Amino acid sequence: NAGVMQNPRHLVRRRGQEARLRCSPMKGHSHVYWYRQLPEEGLKFMVYLQKENIIDESGMPKERFSAEFPKEGPSILRIQQVVRGDSAAYFCASSRGGLDYEQYFGPGTRLTVT
Amino acid sequence: DAKTTQPPSMDCAEGRAANLPCNHSTISGNEYVYWYRQIHSQGPQYIIHGLKNNETNEMASLIITEDRKSSTLILPHATLRDTAVYYCIVRYLTSGTYKYIFGTGTRLKVLA
Repeated sequence: NAGVMQNPRHLVRRRGQEARLRCSPMKGHSHVYWYRQLPEEGLKFMVYLQKENIIDESGMPKERFSAEFPKEGPSILRIQQVVRGDSAAYFCASSRGGLDYEQYFGPGTRLTVT
Repeated sequence: DAKTTQPPSMDCAEGRAANLPCNHSTISGNEYVYWYRQIHSQGPQYIIHGLKNNETNEMASLIITEDRKSSTLILPHATLRDTAVYYCIVRYLTSGTYKYIFGTGTRLKVLA
């Protein structure tokens, strides 16, 4: 039973480039959450999605960040025109229901902006 | 704006029980308490959750006070591999939707 998969595990981008982070939820899970973690800090909620719907994006920066979870394929977190401050670990989690169910986390994508 | 309070760090001798406290005095209604841990920089790992009654699984036990304003995660026989940051989380309602807020957690160090 494969867990939550994220790729790439490490991503290096120059300032101004685009970063695309992918998350495949656990089998049978239709709810996906994205979190960002800066060094020595806890995880910060970014966005909560179900298939084809954004349920809550209150933690997403207003500009340059977007997320989707299409009917087919993985969820994608896109960061346009990256800046040094976007360097962080980005974790995806999935659950089989809403927030009444435990979330299972992927290994994360470590984004470094040079 | 975390809704939980945890000590920043704790030490525990290998083989002894590790008791990690958490205050969640603003918990209300049917909100569950969840515990996760993060080893090194890996993705957080689900440990246990509970509502009112004490819970136990293969990893840990969760003791919730009767007024539900605090809880304790117990690792009965801590090993070196239990060294991690432990997060206590309460789901809460904000802006019309529920979300989890991770605080800075408790950094548990298990000593040989």
